Amino acid sequence: RKEVEQDPGPFNVPEGATVAFNCTYSNSASQSFFWYRQDCRKEPKLLMSVYSSGNEDGRFTAQLNRASQYISLLIRDSKLSDSATYLCVVIPNTGGFKTIFGAGTRLFVKA
Amino acid sequence: GAGVSQSPSNKVTEKGKDVELRCDPISGHTALYWYRQSLGQGLEFLIYFQGNSAPDKSGLPSDRFSAERTGGSVSTLTIQRTQQEDSAVYLCASRPSKKRETQYFGPGTRLLVL
Repeated sequence: RKEVEQDPGPFNVPEGATVAFNCTYSNSASQSFFWYRQDCRKEPKLLMSVYSSGNEDGRFTAQLNRASQYISLLIRDSKLSDSATYLCVVIPNTGGFKTIFGAGTRLFVKA
Repeated sequence: GAGVSQSPSNKVTEKGKDVELRCDPISGHTALYWYRQSLGQGLEFLIYFQGNSAPDKSGLPSDRFSAERTGGSVSTLTIQRTQQEDSAVYLCASRPSKKRETQYFGPGTRLLVL
């Protein structure tokens, strides 16, 4: 089983739609979680951190479910510019310094 | 301010040759990561440097891969006797000292081994 798993998609949604992605992680001791965004042939950039209580940034909401070991990203009122690959990132509490990236979920928002 | 820079941006080499990839992190960032991303795939962790601590090399795929970080700043990733399966984008990222803070990525080096 991969340490971090994501549905690769693609998710094809119309503008204005609400879309949600989940990401599961295998290490229950994982301590830090993030969502990154990667545009085609570009480097990843931080979208938002994921806090235990859940957090919101404009149209984006991130949640953490430690009991079920998954994090989620909800995008409301999708824009064409939201089209990208969304990477789930986990920092396990293993004493090392690894950062584990999921393979990403591709999102296409269409007019 | 200046972001993370990497050089070269593209590298084409022949199978069996050695290559060196360079990363200049953001000034003052104590942590530096190297990742590899193959076409259509996620990021694969390679190695991590944090200050003067011993690097975490647990992601290096073979002993043909090595990395150094001189003076706590610039890092070089070396791939010896390159193979075609080494073809990928090699990304470097740096971050401030605290774990939860974001990593800032460079634009990557696209390596093609013929």
